[in-house]
Amino acid sequence: QSALTQPASVSGSPGQSITISCTGISSDLGGYNYVSWYQQHPGKAPKLMIFDVSNRPSGVSNRFSGSKSGSTASLTISGLQAEDEADYYCSSYTSNRPVVFGGGTKLTVL
Amino acid sequence: QVQLVQSGAEVKKPGASVKVSCKASGYTLTSYYMHWVRQVPGQGLEWMGIINPSGGDTTYAQKFQGRVIMTRDTSTSTVYLELNSLKSEDTAVYYCAREATVLDSWGQGTLVTVSS
Repeated sequence: QSALTQPASVSGSPGQSITISCTGISSDLGGYNYVSWYQQHPGKAPKLMIFDVSNRPSGVSNRFSGSKSGSTASLTISGLQAEDEADYYCSSYTSNRPVVFGGGTKLTVL
Repeated sequence: QVQLVQSGAEVKKPGASVKVSCKASGYTLTSYYMHWVRQVPGQGLEWMGIINPSGGDTTYAQKFQGRVIMTRDTSTSTVYLELNSLKSEDTAVYYCAREATVLDSWGQGTLVTVSS
């Protein structure tokens, strides 16, 4: 099964908002509300930022928000900060295996 | 707090096998499924499979079927990933990740280098 589709890179200036998209199909992202987003800094393990489309784990800044429409999910980061510069991965439950990931998006804070 | 501590980096020759461990603490191992995810240098995350530490049942990604074995030792709260017939393309960081409906806790990663 193919990975979910994300843009390779996005960028924004400090204080701005950015949105990262994640596109799947009906048997994964489109069929379930089990979309998660992970942040990964270089050399570090991924960190859960959003789960079940729009829920934030305890301790994650409310500058991070998630949404979904049809087979496309989105992660929005508002009030960009230098520390937000990282790779971001979406993931979804699928009908034929527990997890599929997106290809990842590199966020650059200008 | 929940911690997943993985074994150290490995260097293996093509055709060999590697076994990576993931020791869980701060919770009961058998209460949560454990996933293995790998990341080839410079590339994205790739799901490898899942083990139910309670019963030991597993599901593997089709790509790794026949080459991967996931096991657990409940007495030491440790899960294991064994990958056989290693190829240079298996050079990657291997992560264990606990599933609490989502992958909420990750190990620090284990770099496996396959080189002749």
